[in-house]
Amino acid sequence: ETTVTQSPASLSMAVGEKVSISCKTSTDIDDDMNWYQQKSGEVPKLLISEGNTLRPGVPSRFSSSGYGTDFVFTINNVLLGDEGIYYCQQSDNVPHTFGAGTKLELK
Amino acid sequence: QVQLEESGPGLMQPSETLSLTCTVSGFSLSSNGVGWVRQPLGKGLVWMGTIWAGGSTNYNSAVQSRLSISRDTSKSQFFLKMNSVQPEDTGTYYCARLVGYGSYYFDYWGQGVMVTVSS
Repeated sequence: ETTVTQSPASLSMAVGEKVSISCKTSTDIDDDMNWYQQKSGEVPKLLISEGNTLRPGVPSRFSSSGYGTDFVFTINNVLLGDEGIYYCQQSDNVPHTFGAGTKLELK
Repeated sequence: QVQLEESGPGLMQPSETLSLTCTVSGFSLSSNGVGWVRQPLGKGLVWMGTIWAGGSTNYNSAVQSRLSISRDTSKSQFFLKMNSVQPEDTGTYYCARLVGYGSYYFDYWGQGVMVTVSS
């Protein structure tokens, strides 16, 4: 089974800054990494799917990169409305493990 | 319009069997895989298992011995059944639709159903 190590656990950023979240996998998963956003009290929302593909309707401020075992999720020019918890998930092999999440707080 | 809606008991006693139903619309269970994700209160997402379009299943090894996922395509419903629940099974359970080719991800989610296991 592939384990997913996500860091940092939390971030406190100012509006307009750049956010970077890392996920590392214990096995090579090609580019089969997905990224979700969960705002407080809401359902997780898919932002980016495998192949670093931005989902329809998701602002281009969100992006991701990576291949193999190292992946980075980026938010450029972070906004107040981006507060929430971000999860990575590998979908190369079952179980489709989630990272532990990164809580993003805006100052 | 794709929609998923979970239903099930809110409160359970330890050692009981949890039965959840997810009713879907806007797509066919014969065309898309679907799955269950659990979120303990205040904690992260845990992939529980999947039933694929062809009917095969995969489970989280941590609960595999207690978990079963099945479906009724004629009713557009799929099910989670987990026996011998304990307080650590408390959390919000989400059903979600899988899409992709070769690599799959959850694109639509239900609103979630809160399950509390307590004596």
